[in-house]
Amino acid sequence: NAGVTQTPKFQVLKTGQSMTLQCAQDMNHEYMSWYRQDPGMGLRLIHYSVGAGITDQGEVPNGYNVSRSTTEDFPLRLLSAAPSQTSVYFCASGASGYTGELFFGEGSRLTVL
Amino acid sequence: GEDVEQSLFLSVREGDSSVINCTYTDSSSTYLYWYKQEPGAGLQLLTYIFSNMDMKQDQRLTVLLNKKDKHLSLRIADTQTGDSAIYFCADFSGNNRKLIWGLGTSLAVNP
Repeated sequence: NAGVTQTPKFQVLKTGQSMTLQCAQDMNHEYMSWYRQDPGMGLRLIHYSVGAGITDQGEVPNGYNVSRSTTEDFPLRLLSAAPSQTSVYFCASGASGYTGELFFGEGSRLTVL
Repeated sequence: GEDVEQSLFLSVREGDSSVINCTYTDSSSTYLYWYKQEPGAGLQLLTYIFSNMDMKQDQRLTVLLNKKDKHLSLRIADTQTGDSAIYFCADFSGNNRKLIWGLGTSLAVNP
């Protein structure tokens, strides 16, 4: 099992560009989520999904879109990147009946110039 | 809203015990977690405790929970340089089924 796989690991964007961070898991987990990690801010939840076809907003959803067409994949889209979106992004998944146990990807470091 | 607080830094000598503390405000907590993040990596689950337990031991790790004071601690015995990492405390709320994170404690282990 590969676990949770995120791509790309590093990305540099210019302000206004769009991009998609990919996340895939092979554990048949129902719950998937995206976090951003910034110095002094800890982990903040962007969007999450409790199953295919179902998504919901976390605490910092503005500027990001998600979709969940399959159980395995949960891409995060930045429609018009801003310098404030410079961060490390983590995808995490949890099993059915999610109770807080999360499996994290290795992270995607995004810089917006 | 609910909150989880941790001290930001801890420095210990190799071979000593480390104690990382966490306080939370959630009255409907069901599970309390400790996650570890090594440099440049994602978080990994270290251990957890049910909110109706007082203590859990797992090899070098001991988790203590004081429900009255809403205080959680993680003790690492015989701390090694490989234990240098950021340790996150997290509270799973039974009310809204959300995970509430602390800001993380950066543990530095000095030889």
